Amino acid sequence: DAGVTQSPTHLIKTRGQQVTLRCSPKSGHDTVSWYQQALGQGPQFIFQYYEEEERQRGNFPDRFSGHQFPNYSSELNVNALLLGDSALYLCASSLQGFHSNYGYTFGSGTRLTVV
Amino acid sequence: GQQLNQSPQSMFIQEGEDVSMNCTSSSIFNTWLWYKQDPGEGPVLLIALYKAGELTSNGRLTAQFGITRKDSFLNISASIPSDVGIYFCAGQLPLGSGTYKYIFGTGTRLKVLA
Repeated sequence: DAGVTQSPTHLIKTRGQQVTLRCSPKSGHDTVSWYQQALGQGPQFIFQYYEEEERQRGNFPDRFSGHQFPNYSSELNVNALLLGDSALYLCASSLQGFHSNYGYTFGSGTRLTVV
Repeated sequence: GQQLNQSPQSMFIQEGEDVSMNCTSSSIFNTWLWYKQDPGEGPVLLIALYKAGELTSNGRLTAQFGITRKDSFLNISASIPSDVGIYFCAGQLPLGSGTYKYIFGTGTRLKVLA
């Protein structure tokens, strides 16, 4: 049973460019959440997707956008990249209504470096 | 963004020793979780706590949900080298319709000396 898979694992981009990160949730999960983890920090909530809609958003600018597809997979897009966007981007999947019992299942993340 | 305060920030211990770490918040949470993150990996859930005062064990790990609901504690007994990693606490916040987001702590970096 595959867990959460993210691609790519590493990425280097230049300031001002745009990037798309991808996530496939764990089998049976229908909700995807994205987190940004800066070096030496805990993960910070970006947004959550369920039923192909953004459910709630953390304190991130509109440069961060996302999408969820009918198969529950998700993409995170970041436009006009800044140096400060360099971080590990984590995708977490869950089953609606069961979060409080099992928490999230996290992927291994995409390490984004902006130069 | 909001983060919970964890202490200690990092610690070196000898194999076989017990470890204690804690997490505090200015806000109340109804659910606390503890995660472990290995290098190059995402966090993995260790223990979930659902009730103030609750004490829950998972093997050598024991966690407690503080009575005030503003703190939580994690203990690791008889540490082994594979316990090395970063331990995060997380408080759960409801988003409605049975979904949640998590506010994570700043992390405790544990290194075990053989």
